[in-house]
Amino acid sequence: GQQVMQIPQYQHVQEGEDFTTYCNSSTTLSNIQWYKQRPGGHPVFLIQLVKSGEVKKQKRLTFQFGEAKKNSSLHITATQTTDVGTYFCAGQGAQKLVFGQGTRLTINP
Amino acid sequence: DVKVTQSSRYLVKRTGEKVFLECVQDMDHENMFWYRQDPGLGLRLIYFSYDVKMKEKGDIPEGYSVSREKKERFSLILESASTNQTSMYLCASQRDRGYQPQHFGDGTRLSIL
Repeated sequence: GQQVMQIPQYQHVQEGEDFTTYCNSSTTLSNIQWYKQRPGGHPVFLIQLVKSGEVKKQKRLTFQFGEAKKNSSLHITATQTTDVGTYFCAGQGAQKLVFGQGTRLTINP
Repeated sequence: DVKVTQSSRYLVKRTGEKVFLECVQDMDHENMFWYRQDPGLGLRLIYFSYDVKMKEKGDIPEGYSVSREKKERFSLILESASTNQTSMYLCASQRDRGYQPQHFGDGTRLSIL
């Protein structure tokens, strides 16, 4: 079945450093969604990408969807302690969303 | 704002018990989902439903069943709980089959002893 692989599994950075997480699908995706889960919380929707090569920004967060619609990335510029959490990508397959394993981001203030 | 409410935040049950996890959403969403979340494995889909009385198996349905008698309520049932079902269970709802975000409940941390 469809698989979505996400790397790295963990990332620890100093506050102010950049952070990137990558997502790869075994099949072409209709769209890709990104979620953030704060420690002790539940996943919260951040953004959705639909078009090939699409790039969207939310303040310090930049989301990209690959040209072949099989990969995506989330880049955070100059991390802040409020960015701590686990970031999930989720690819839309034929019937359902398939989530990646998530990247857990921790930050040293 | 969409509100997805799961009946229990923490639950402790014994092996062999029948366990019910309840989820209610207040936004008249068509679609509802049950996931389990385990470290390093992300969110794995157990069952989902696109309509009342309708259900579809997800990626890991074994040992689980679901019920959707009313649009707003989606129940997950562990027929005979086992220790390997100890996990965080997350319910989500989605407006319809289009490119819509999923809205999650706070989760139920279930321990099977």
